[in-house]
Amino acid sequence: AQTVTQSQPEMSVQEAETVTLSCTYDTSESNYYLFWYKQPPSRQMILVIRQEAYKQQNATENRFSVNFQKAAKSFSLKISDSQLGDTAMYFCAFMKKDSNYQLIWGAGTKLIIKP
Amino acid sequence: EAGVVQSPRYKIIEKKQPVAFWCNPISGHNTLYWYRQNLGQGPELLIRYENEEAVDDSQLPKDRFSAERLKGVDSTLKIQPAELGDSAVYLCASSFQENTEAFFGQGTRLTVV
Repeated sequence: AQTVTQSQPEMSVQEAETVTLSCTYDTSESNYYLFWYKQPPSRQMILVIRQEAYKQQNATENRFSVNFQKAAKSFSLKISDSQLGDTAMYFCAFMKKDSNYQLIWGAGTKLIIKP
Repeated sequence: EAGVVQSPRYKIIEKKQPVAFWCNPISGHNTLYWYRQNLGQGPELLIRYENEEAVDDSQLPKDRFSAERLKGVDSTLKIQPAELGDSAVYLCASSFQENTEAFFGQGTRLTVV
């Protein structure tokens, strides 16, 4: 069975700083996807970034980038130039390929951006 | 384009009462998901629909939970009777087809007292 672990329950940084959220996972699969989702107080789960396991290049979306270490089963999210609107819960999720979007979720990290 | 719409946003009920949640997915999305999210945890899949067919309901507590998606568009999730442990956020999501990105609604926060 796959598991996803987020070891940081809560983090806070000053606006404009860079912050890295950790995620590790356990799987015996070789073909899978990893995701970071953001859940602001509005509760809507928003996809931030997606990584396909067979791609060695780390995914990047504007200020968001990942450090994907497949051998170490690590998938951290880096947020550069953090903004107040980045305050939210961040969830790491794993999906086995061809599993009909069945996501395995971590417990989340609460990120607070301070002005 | 409207996203996934859920109602109500909040619901407070006494235990043993019934409750229903409604979800309108993004137009054209034939895959619909219901998740339950307990406080401080990630979402847990309850049921997945492909059009009007429930293709995965293995995590749905069938003694008290039911769901339907009669015309393959809107869906309702019902709990009868509700228990204190059912207090959670119920999220609906939809995707164009399997294995494509799912878009989430804002959820319904249920409090059972």
